[in-house]
Amino acid sequence: LAKTTQPISMDSYEGQEVNITCSHNNIATNDYITWYQQFPSQGPRFIIQGYKTKVTNEVASLFIPADRKSSTLSLPRVSLSDTAVYYCLVGDGDTDKLIFGTGTRLQVFP
Amino acid sequence: KAGVTQTPRYLIKTRGQQVTLSCSPISGHRSVSWYQQTPGQGLQFLFEYFSETQRNKGNFPGRFSGRQFSNSRSEMNVSTLELGDSALYLCASSLATTAGSSYNEQFFGPGTRLTVL
Repeated sequence: LAKTTQPISMDSYEGQEVNITCSHNNIATNDYITWYQQFPSQGPRFIIQGYKTKVTNEVASLFIPADRKSSTLSLPRVSLSDTAVYYCLVGDGDTDKLIFGTGTRLQVFP
Repeated sequence: KAGVTQTPRYLIKTRGQQVTLSCSPISGHRSVSWYQQTPGQGLQFLFEYFSETQRNKGNFPGRFSGRQFSNSRSEMNVSTLELGDSALYLCASSLATTAGSSYNEQFFGPGTRLTVL
């Protein structure tokens, strides 16, 4: 089964750029890499998704190297409201099961 | 469009009892997945239903079961509850035409917080 690991926590200040990395050593060949954000007492919410290279939307960028064994979520100019837990999600290459990363708790300070 | 709803939001049970949780997906979504979230194990996939059929299953004991109805609503059942079953149970719906792919965005409900005493 794929191991999908992330740093446990990160701290940042408002206005800074934050990069959160996820390692997924056995991602399914044809699957995408998706990132979710979760606030307390809520279910996760979709942020961004990509297959390779770089994807950007209005809230984040996603960088994926050629081997696709990792990905980096980039949050430009974070604000206090970005304080949350961030998860990556990939399909496992052997079992067709979806595997969430271990989650990264981001704390943004004023 | 109404979001994913889960009932009940909170539940307290004792060891040995059984529990049924309910999930109503977004209209038009035929895939419903269930996840268990705990501080120690994080978000773990339980199972996925698509058009009333279980399409995928995580590594949980047989005490955990589910079903999906013709209107795509889903229920999850846990029998013979153990203390370790205390968790937030999340339901997510999506268009998910392909099993085991993160491609289709999943829309999560607020979860049911189950406490086993």
